[in-house]
Amino acid sequence: IAGITQAPTSQILAAGRRMTLRCTQDMRHNAMYWYRQDLGLGLRLIHYSNTAGTTGKGEVPDGYSVSRANTDDFPLTLASAVPSQTSVYFCASSRTSGGTQNIQYFGAGTRLSVL
Amino acid sequence: RKEVEQDPGPFNVPEGATVAFNCTYSNSASQSFFWYRQDCRKEPKLLMSVYSSGNEDGRFTAQLNRASQYISLLIRDSKLSDSATYLCVVNEEEDSSYKLIFGSGTRLLVRP
Repeated sequence: IAGITQAPTSQILAAGRRMTLRCTQDMRHNAMYWYRQDLGLGLRLIHYSNTAGTTGKGEVPDGYSVSRANTDDFPLTLASAVPSQTSVYFCASSRTSGGTQNIQYFGAGTRLSVL
Repeated sequence: RKEVEQDPGPFNVPEGATVAFNCTYSNSASQSFFWYRQDCRKEPKLLMSVYSSGNEDGRFTAQLNRASQYISLLIRDSKLSDSATYLCVVNEEEDSSYKLIFGSGTRLLVRP
């Protein structure tokens, strides 16, 4: 069982280009999440999805969009990348978004540099 | 004000030492709490949940003080392999969804 797979592992991108970060999980988890991690700021939630067909905005959603067409996949799209989107991006999933034991499992991350 | 605050460290300790990290959170309605571990350039991984009565997992002990809104992690008999960043995580309800709020992490360096 792979768990959560993110692709690419790293990317250098020119400003203004469109980019989609891929995330796939094989644990049949209902909820999925996208975070960015920047030095000194910790993990910040970009978007989330409680179940297939639904999405919601997190703390820092501007400049990003997501879709959840099925249970397994949760791609994150940067429509027009800017240098401030240089970060490490982590996808995560949890069995459910409800309840107090919301244990999340993370992918290995995508390191994105926007020049 | 940050919702979850941690001392960034680094805590530099010798092998075998006991080290403790504290974390404070701002939302008194927070429901559950966790410690995650993150190795350099790797993803965060759950270390342990934190229960109201306190809980222990081998060399690791976690405690929660709801009145003062802080969480602690105690590591006994530190190993070189304990060197990592420890993330304090709080689960909060918002608009009928539960979201994890992460602290910035406390870095631990265990030296030989």
